[in-house]
Formats: sequence, structure tokens, C-alpha cells
Amino acid sequence: TQLLEQSPQFLSIQEGENLTVYCNSSSVFSSLQWYRQEPGEGPVLLVTVVTGGEVKKLKRLTFQFGDARKDSSLHITAAQPGDTGLYLCAGPKTSYDKVIFGPGTSLSVIP
Amino acid sequence: DVKVTQSSRYLVKRTGEKVFLECVQDMDHENMFWYRQDPGLGLRLIYFSYDVKMKEKGDIPEGYSVSREKKERFSLILESASTNQTSMYLCASSLRKGRGQPQHFGDGTRLSIL
Repeated sequence: TQLLEQSPQFLSIQEGENLTVYCNSSSVFSSLQWYRQEPGEGPVLLVTVVTGGEVKKLKRLTFQFGDARKDSSLHITAAQPGDTGLYLCAGPKTSYDKVIFGPGTSLSVIP
Repeated sequence: DVKVTQSSRYLVKRTGEKVFLECVQDMDHENMFWYRQDPGLGLRLIYFSYDVKMKEKGDIPEGYSVSREKKERFSLILESASTNQTSMYLCASSLRKGRGQPQHFGDGTRLSIL
């Protein structure tokens, strides 16, 4: 059974601090996606990583896919209150078109 | 931009009622999904549809059914609502174009069963 774990489950930091959140599995994934869900809204796709070792940057957010394609990390530099939300990682299931989600990391950035 | 619209943001129903949650997408996506989201459990797939009138059970289909009569509309039905179905329900859509397609979500329906 494919499973995705995320850590930490909760994170509360001051504005301007850096942070890293993790997504891990014992299974190999062909790709991993990161979504952000703001309070009261649905998840929105941030990025998809496809190649082992790949690094993608989205402004202050840096995403890395592990070499073995079993894990990924999201690093935020100089966090801002607008970064507050639930960060979900997701990967394609062996069944066509379906996706498995991790439980998420809930980030709170305090001004 | 893809828009996925869920009919209600908040809904309160009573135990035993039949409940309908509606979802409409405007980007001609083949795939549509219903998830429920509970704290600490992430998103769990209830049902998936890859075409009109086609459906597949997800991980937690018990107590739910779905209907897809038109490509843009996917309905979730709670046949006889129970208190353990109190949750956030999210609808999503995606292209049927290979694994790893991004999913586009609605804003969710927070359902309370009393």
C-alpha cells in the first residue's frame, strides 16, 4: 500500500524565519506534487517534481525531490504571514489518474 | 483558469436524511473526484469518475453514492446521513492525460450531521 507521511504535523514560526517541511514514503513515486490549502479554501497546486534530485523554485519556496524518488522537501525562506496554510504532498497511485495525499503540515506564520 | 464550484460552503442536516452535494467544473475535464478531509487524516478519496456515467469506488465509499449524468457535474449522495459523516467534503477535477495530472479543487462543503 502506498502511503505518504509528512512532518512536522504543525509548525508555528515568526515572520522572517526559514523552515523546511518533509514528505516521505517507503514507495517510489513517478512524481510528487505539493499543494497549499489556505483556511476556508480548497488545495491549490504549487509544483510538481518529476525527476529524482530535481530542485524547483517558486519565489521564496524551494522544492526538492529525493534521488530515490521516495521523498520530497519544501523549504521556505523568510516566511511571511501569507504563507500560512496547510501544505499537502501528493503522488500518483498505481491506479491510473488517482492521487494519494499525505496528511499535511499546518504552518502558521506569526507577524 | 479552471473553476470548480461546490453548491454549498456550509450545510447542516439531520441523522437519517438523504443529502446531496453538487459539484460543477467548467474546463471540460474528464476526471472528477470526491474527497473528505478530516484533521490528521488528510484527503481520503470517496469516489472517482473518469467519464459520464462511469464511476469507481475510492478508499472510503461506504455510506455514499455518486452520480455523473453530465461531464461537468458530479454529485455526491449520502443515502442516510450519520454523525460520523460530519466532515469537510472537497470536489476536484483533472484531465485524463496520464499519471500525475494536477487536481483542481473547489472550496469545499463543511457538512454537519446532527
